[in-house]
Amino acid sequence: DTAVSQTPKYLVTQMGNDKSIKCEQNLGHDTMYWYKQDSKKFLKIMFSYNNKELIINETVPNRFSPKSPDKAHLNLHINSLELGDSAVYFCASSRNSYEQYFGPGTRLTVT
Amino acid sequence: DQQVKQNSPSLSVQEGRISILNCDYTNSMFDYFLWYKKYPAEGPTFLISISSIKDKNEDGRFTVFLNKSAKHLSLHIVPSQPGDSAVYFCAASDFGSGNTGKLIFGQGTTLQVKP
Repeated sequence: DTAVSQTPKYLVTQMGNDKSIKCEQNLGHDTMYWYKQDSKKFLKIMFSYNNKELIINETVPNRFSPKSPDKAHLNLHINSLELGDSAVYFCASSRNSYEQYFGPGTRLTVT
Repeated sequence: DQQVKQNSPSLSVQEGRISILNCDYTNSMFDYFLWYKKYPAEGPTFLISISSIKDKNEDGRFTVFLNKSAKHLSLHIVPSQPGDSAVYFCAASDFGSGNTGKLIFGQGTTLQVKP
């Protein structure tokens, strides 16, 4: 059983499009996160939700909007995609915030 | 403003030898440190962690050392195995400041263990 899953694994789209990435965790964790790994390989946190409540919102363009329908799901919607949005996006979850469990990543390519 | 730095992009060691991966940080408020391991096309996997009240934590072949005065931590893998070949990320957080899980990651070190 996959603990943290993301769909799709690969996403290729054109500039200006709107796309969503879905994340689900079956670990019973209360907190979920979205990270972005850029071309320089840095992993940077974007958002965090605890029991469907937004608790971390880094300096991210408002074209990015997370949505948490329940505490097992945290989806990432991106409007008006730009070339610079190309990256690998990782979802993660944790029970106590200390140890976070990551999904396999979604490689987004904007052309 | 990179608060967590892994200055060695890559490291190559012989199977059976010790692997030492280093990490430096600048924020003295960090009170919890973690190491993650990442294989290609997979997400990072938690490996080992250490609280700032300790200077060493050991788990099997993996030991993390923390030197707070130098703002430096290291991960020792003994003995190294080919299956340890992966990218290792150092991460830190300041949970004592009421931080709700924001981890700051280094840029990773690629470890290659040669048979």
